[in-house]
Amino acid sequence: KQEVTQIPAALSVPEGENLVLNCSFTDSAIYNLQWFRQDPGKGLTSLLLIQSSQREQTSGRLNASLDKSSGRSTLYIAASQPGDSATYLCAVNQAGTALIFGKGTTLSVSS
Amino acid sequence: DTEVTQTPKHLVMGMTNKKSLKCEQHMGHRAMYWYKQKAKKPPELMFVYSYEKLSINESVPSRFSPECPNSSLLNLHLHALQPEDSALYLCASSQELGVGNQPQHFGDGTRLSIL
Repeated sequence: KQEVTQIPAALSVPEGENLVLNCSFTDSAIYNLQWFRQDPGKGLTSLLLIQSSQREQTSGRLNASLDKSSGRSTLYIAASQPGDSATYLCAVNQAGTALIFGKGTTLSVSS
Repeated sequence: DTEVTQTPKHLVMGMTNKKSLKCEQHMGHRAMYWYKQKAKKPPELMFVYSYEKLSINESVPSRFSPECPNSSLLNLHLHALQPEDSALYLCASSQELGVGNQPQHFGDGTRLSIL
């Protein structure tokens, strides 16, 4: 059974720092991996999707990488801002089911 | 603005009530999903519809009854719920089920409280 783990569970940084969020998964037979952002009480906003054949994707200050063979993904956030404060979820998509989520990393960026 | 619209945003109901949650998308997506999210937990899959047919039911209790009347609309009918069913119910859609280059798009959810 697929298990998705995110480290750290919480992270506090000052504004302007670069940071890395980690995601690992146990079964490498995935279609893709998605990173989401969730603000308190809100739905999920898709940030980046990496197909199983890809190594990385970039959008603005965000860069996500995928190493399928080792079951790892990272989300790199450059020059963090207070508006980046949210919970970041990674999820893998595989056959026979839909998205399987990690428990998330709650990020707090202070000004 | 989200492209997946869920109504109502909030719902309070008693354990004997019958209510429905509604989800709509006009992106031409043929896969639609219901997830349940408890406080401070990740979303968990409940149901998946592909081309208006139920493809996946993650052993959800029968007091939750999904319906997909057309390709743009997904309902979740609720009856005789328990207090532990209080959660955020999220709807999502994607172009197809099980294709690697297609993200899932989520609505803002319905916050459900069972009295």
